[in-house]
Amino acid sequence: DSGVTQTPKHLITATGQRVTLRCSPRSGDLSVYWYQQSLDQGLQFLIQYYNGEERAKGNILERFSAQQFPDLHSELNLSSLELGDSALYFCASSVQGGVNTEAFFGQGTRLTVV
Amino acid sequence: KNQVEQSPQSLIILEGKNCTLQCNYTVSPFSNLRWYKQDTGRGPVSLTIMTFSENTKSNGRYTATLDADTKQSSLHITASQLSDSASYICVLDNYGQNFVFGPGTRLSVLP
Repeated sequence: DSGVTQTPKHLITATGQRVTLRCSPRSGDLSVYWYQQSLDQGLQFLIQYYNGEERAKGNILERFSAQQFPDLHSELNLSSLELGDSALYFCASSVQGGVNTEAFFGQGTRLTVV
Repeated sequence: KNQVEQSPQSLIILEGKNCTLQCNYTVSPFSNLRWYKQDTGRGPVSLTIMTFSENTKSNGRYTATLDADTKQSSLHITASQLSDSASYICVLDNYGQNFVFGPGTRLSVLP
């Protein structure tokens, strides 16, 4: 158990809908990362937050947004869902989020868009 | 062309044998190169983190090497165990601004 908690574990929704994925980082970790893993593209970095502020942005679509709250938990919002958004979404956390900092991954949320 | 390529795509070995997985990259500059182990359907687990100036890093039976001149890294697993069956992913960290993942190598260890 990495100490990073993601909910829900599974989510099935229809195209065009909006969902929210939740991540609770390890106790004491200030940085949260979001990743998408689809069958055909492997793992892709979406976005990173550090202590409530956006720190880095990867290949995140405009339909997706995220935020980190004062209690350091984070949410990833996915809207206008398409079939291609079906994937595993992972959250990771680290103490500071600086270079060379080890990140610990949650068990992921499996999103299926039908 | 992918910025991080891994080979082989999949590998089958017998328990107790050694194996080496390869990672070739074009990402530049980068602050560190990471190897992760990912069991099917679970989150990746960090094995090693090497800065661009390091040549080797070990974690138990896992040893990673880095050759910045040839832009290659390898992960060597010694005395493989059945629990080593997983995907192994090479990741380049661009100073925390972006993380570029390789496609992974799927390792199967058979009894």
